[in-house]
Amino acid sequence: SQELEQSPQSLIVQEGKNLTINCTSSKTLYGLYWYKQKYGEGLIFLMMLQKGGEEKSHEKITAKLDEKKQQSSLHITASQPSHAGIYLCGADISDSWGKLQFGAGTQVVVTP
Amino acid sequence: DGGITQSPKYLFRKEGQNVTLSCEQNLNHDAMYWYRQDPGQGLRLIYYSQIVNDFQKGDIAEGYSVSREKKESFPLTVTSAQKNPTAFYLCASEGLSTDTQYFGPGTRLTVL
Repeated sequence: SQELEQSPQSLIVQEGKNLTINCTSSKTLYGLYWYKQKYGEGLIFLMMLQKGGEEKSHEKITAKLDEKKQQSSLHITASQPSHAGIYLCGADISDSWGKLQFGAGTQVVVTP
Repeated sequence: DGGITQSPKYLFRKEGQNVTLSCEQNLNHDAMYWYRQDPGQGLRLIYYSQIVNDFQKGDIAEGYSVSREKKESFPLTVTSAQKNPTAFYLCASEGLSTDTQYFGPGTRLTVL
């Protein structure tokens, strides 16, 4: 069973609209990573969150880690075609350096 | 340019044959990882290595083998014992001072 649950599994958003992806863990998160992947390619690192309540932004993408450190959200404002792809969350759920668990990913489609 | 390379991008093999996937990095990272990605699932850790000449099994190591003779290289062999080898394989590396794992472009293995 997945220890990291991502939702939704996929979403279609009209260009210019906002979207939110959630990542929920059954265990305390020591670190939470957001990646983007184009189909058939490697993962591109977006952001890392470690502290409860932490929020980071880069361009139109904002990620938050809740106070209890068991859920994170990724929010994209005014989506553009370049935001299309698969978004994956990865998490440190143990104190073993480098071992990450990944969510199943959220496929984002941006329509004109 | 610094980065992680994986070769080949596409690989076809007959059932029962062993095949080796290449992963090279020139980032001077100590740790290297192999993941498998299947449709609708997140990345699953096969093997990882935090130092030369040492490696550990991940969550799905059965049917796979690795070596880490050089810091820059972490090849993965998919053996005939792997029951469902057709998948997308991703290699990653991480340094002590980096925030995250950096991923290669992936190799798509198809066993016919």
